[in-house]
Amino acid sequence: GAGVSQSPSNKVTEKGKDVELRCDPISGHTALYWYRQSLGQGLEFLIYFQGNSAPDKSGLPSDRFSAERTGGSVSTLTIQRTQQEDSAVYLCASSHPQVNEQYFGPGTRLTVT
Amino acid sequence: GENVEQHPSTLSVQEGDSAVIKCTYSDSASNYFPWYKQELGKGPQLIIDIRSNVGEKKDQRIAVTLNKTAKHFSLHITETQPEDSAVYFCAALSFQGGKLIFGQGTELSVKP
Repeated sequence: GAGVSQSPSNKVTEKGKDVELRCDPISGHTALYWYRQSLGQGLEFLIYFQGNSAPDKSGLPSDRFSAERTGGSVSTLTIQRTQQEDSAVYLCASSHPQVNEQYFGPGTRLTVT
Repeated sequence: GENVEQHPSTLSVQEGDSAVIKCTYSDSASNYFPWYKQELGKGPQLIIDIRSNVGEKKDQRIAVTLNKTAKHFSLHITETQPEDSAVYFCAALSFQGGKLIFGQGTELSVKP
């Protein structure tokens, strides 16, 4: 079946602009996660959704970062007033209810110039 | 805070040899430990996982062992092949549920 999809695959933006990153989870997966991977680094947790609510948003780096999920499916991660340190690969994962396995999408590579 | 340490950061082996990657975790309440393989330009792929009620799990050439007392788990790849070359990440599920805490990754290179 279809896996987690993310769009765009690549995004280049100027410092100070806002960007929106989209994640479409596997059908039936109620949990959705956003992680960030900086060059050559491990994955850093950003936020977790169960349905449309976010019980854990402890990883969002600043108030410039926000995320929402509607209809228990697609999620959007928004970064306002982008900075060069926001450059990274943003990864989305989803999991089936009451199951720990998280399946990742291909990521969005964000470059802030 | 919650932390996962992974070693080595790079590992080079000859085709056919075994490779071992080790991780330690800080949160004794963690009960789920997945391993991911990430190829260049792709998202992480779940390759094997283990839960705290078992000590070892095997899937063909890949095995994972867990020592809860020592808070230590390892990935073992036998009969390595060039297509095993990738970055491997270990992770531990946070005691709060939901998020995974990742190690820093091991770049495995299998030389033909």
